[in-house]
Amino acid sequence: GNSVTQMEGPVTLSEEAFLTINCTYTATGYPSLFWYVQYPGEGLQLLLKATKADDKGSNKGFEATYRKETTSFHLEKGSVQVSDSAVYFCALSDTNAGKSTFGDGTTLTVKP
Amino acid sequence: DTAVSQTPKYLVTQMGNDKSIKCEQNLGHDTMYWYKQDSKKFLKIMFSYNNKELIINETVPNRFSPKSPDKAHLNLHINSLELGDSAVYFCASSLGGVGDTQYFGPGTRLTVL
Repeated sequence: GNSVTQMEGPVTLSEEAFLTINCTYTATGYPSLFWYVQYPGEGLQLLLKATKADDKGSNKGFEATYRKETTSFHLEKGSVQVSDSAVYFCALSDTNAGKSTFGDGTTLTVKP
Repeated sequence: DTAVSQTPKYLVTQMGNDKSIKCEQNLGHDTMYWYKQDSKKFLKIMFSYNNKELIINETVPNRFSPKSPDKAHLNLHINSLELGDSAVYFCASSLGGVGDTQYFGPGTRLTVL
C-alpha cells in the first residue's frame, strides 16, 4: 500500500533560520503530492502541491519539488518566521486507490 | 463565508452515549471526507463520499455511521461512545476525487468521559 514518511518532530528553529522538513513516499503509479499546514486550533489548509515529477510547488516562501527518482517531496523555506509555527503534513493522493495518505505531521516551533 | 463548517466545535459526553457531528460545505464540491486526529496529531481517513455515495470506508468500528443527505452535507453519527473515541474529527471536501486539494473544516473536539 501507499505510505508517507515525514521527518520526526518537533523541530525548533530561531527566526530567519532555514527550514527543511523531509518527506518520502511509497506509491504505485503517479500520485499527486501535497503539503498541508495546520495552525494551532485550526483545520488543515493546503500549503502547496505538485502533480507530476519535477514539478515545484511554492507558496508563502515555502517550496517543494516532486522528485520521482528519490520518491521525495521535501519542504523548504529560506527564512522562517514566528508565524510559521504550526504542524506540517506531507500527503499523497492516489487516484487509482481512490484515497489520500497523510504523513504523521511535523511540529515546527519558531522562536523570536 | 465559511467554506467547510462543522458543528459543534466542542463535544463533551459520557461513555455509552450517542452523538452526531454535522458538516456542510458551500464550495460545490463532489467529494467529502471524515478524518480522525488523535492527541499526537496523527490524521487518519475514516470515510469518503462522492455525490452522496460511500467510496471509502477505512477500518472503522461500525459504531461510526456517516450519512450524506445531499452532496453538500456529510454527517457523522457515533453510537455507544468509548473513551478511545476522544479526538478531533475533521470534515473535508474536494472538487473531484482525491487528486484534488482538500478543504478542511475547523474540527470538532470530542471528549468522552
